[in-house]
Amino acid sequence: DAGVIQSPRHEVTEMGQEVTLRCKPISGHDYLFWYRQTMMRGLELLIYFNNNVPIDDSGMPEDRFSAKMPNASFSTLKIQPSEPRDSAVYFCASRQTGGHSSGNTIYFGEGSWLTVV
Amino acid sequence: KQEVTQIPAALSVPEGENLVLNCSFTDSAIYNLQWFRQDPGKGLTSLLLIQSSQREQTSGRLNASLDKSSGRSTLYIAASQPGDSATYLCAVRDPGANSKLTFGKGITLSVRP
Repeated sequence: DAGVIQSPRHEVTEMGQEVTLRCKPISGHDYLFWYRQTMMRGLELLIYFNNNVPIDDSGMPEDRFSAKMPNASFSTLKIQPSEPRDSAVYFCASRQTGGHSSGNTIYFGEGSWLTVV
Repeated sequence: KQEVTQIPAALSVPEGENLVLNCSFTDSAIYNLQWFRQDPGKGLTSLLLIQSSQREQTSGRLNASLDKSSGRSTLYIAASQPGDSATYLCAVRDPGANSKLTFGKGITLSVRP
């Protein structure tokens, strides 16, 4: 498998513009996570889905942020309008439900590096 | 609310040294604990996962231990090499079918040749 695939890898946009980040999880994984990483706050969980259904979006910072998962192989994280403080690395990750012995390892994509100027 | 702490934030050692990276968590009721490696400009790669019922896991020169009662985990790296230079993060998963991972901020390791 190619792993978790994210796009774009890098994006520079102007304040006020809409940003859409995309993620393709590993095939067969039923959990999908969106994280944000900054130097100050480290890795923060924004939202996660199970079987395409949002389970916990308490980490989404503001109404400007939204996420969707229309099917098992695709998810988007949208920021509208974007602000300079949204500059960060956004990671998508996925894992597969398993029994106690399976490990339930989570796999991360390479990240989308967002700069809002 | 679960909190994960990794101290120090950065560490520099000479090549060949055995070293220990520490991780502490506030709520001992965890499902598992995972150690990750992150190289600059890259995503996180899982190194070792320890289930709550286990005490340690080993992979090559890496050994991770877990002491739930004291809320601690250590990642032991034997005979460190410059290629081990990276940021190491630990994360704990709370019990529950839909539980999530809580990450520490990581320890940035530099192994000097």
